[in-house]
Amino acid sequence: DAKTTQPNSMESNEEEPVHLPCNHSTISGTDYIHWYRQLPSQGPEYVIHGLTSNVNNRMASLAIAEDRKSSTLILHRATLRDAAVYYCILRPLIQGAQKLVFGQGTRLTINP
Amino acid sequence: DTEVTQTPKHLVMGMTNKKSLKCEQHMGHRAMYWYKQKAKKPPELMFVYSYEKLSINESVPSRFSPECPNSSLLNLHLHALQPEDSALYLCASSQVGRGSNQPQHFGDGTRLSIL
Repeated sequence: DAKTTQPNSMESNEEEPVHLPCNHSTISGTDYIHWYRQLPSQGPEYVIHGLTSNVNNRMASLAIAEDRKSSTLILHRATLRDAAVYYCILRPLIQGAQKLVFGQGTRLTINP
Repeated sequence: DTEVTQTPKHLVMGMTNKKSLKCEQHMGHRAMYWYKQKAKKPPELMFVYSYEKLSINESVPSRFSPECPNSSLLNLHLHALQPEDSALYLCASSQVGRGSNQPQHFGDGTRLSIL
């Protein structure tokens, strides 16, 4: 499984944008970039995924570098509820059920 | 509220007890997963079921016995556990057959404590 590297922790203020980086220099051409987050006392929650192009959904945006060796999850306007551990995960293009391999993730703290 | 329901939310058991963790989803997903999460660590996969058949076992000790009686239910039978098995046990489900695009939906877990 290709490896991802994320900062252990980040801090931001409420109502400000947050940019969460992820390095994946060994990514292969068919690996999708997925982001999950885990709020306190809850199971992980899917946030967004992409392959090459930038992606937007109601929760966040995903910016993918042109060489695909890094990506950034963008929370446009952080709220206290966004405090969580954010996981960047690479998933190969394989048919069928497959596991998620979680790294250590980034613990995001939001200050009021 | 999640669409994957796990029961019980908390479980305390002795090392000689037998207990079961239950997971249920009604999203029509045909893949279901068990993950184990120790405190301050990321989740780690234990088992994957695809179309009610065990497809991945990550070398889990036999004191953990999974079962998928139908497409909506997933059980994890526990017997003779050790104190180091104390952890949060997470169940997840997903669609199958469309490659890696399909997100996994997680329950909130069963927090297990072994005395």
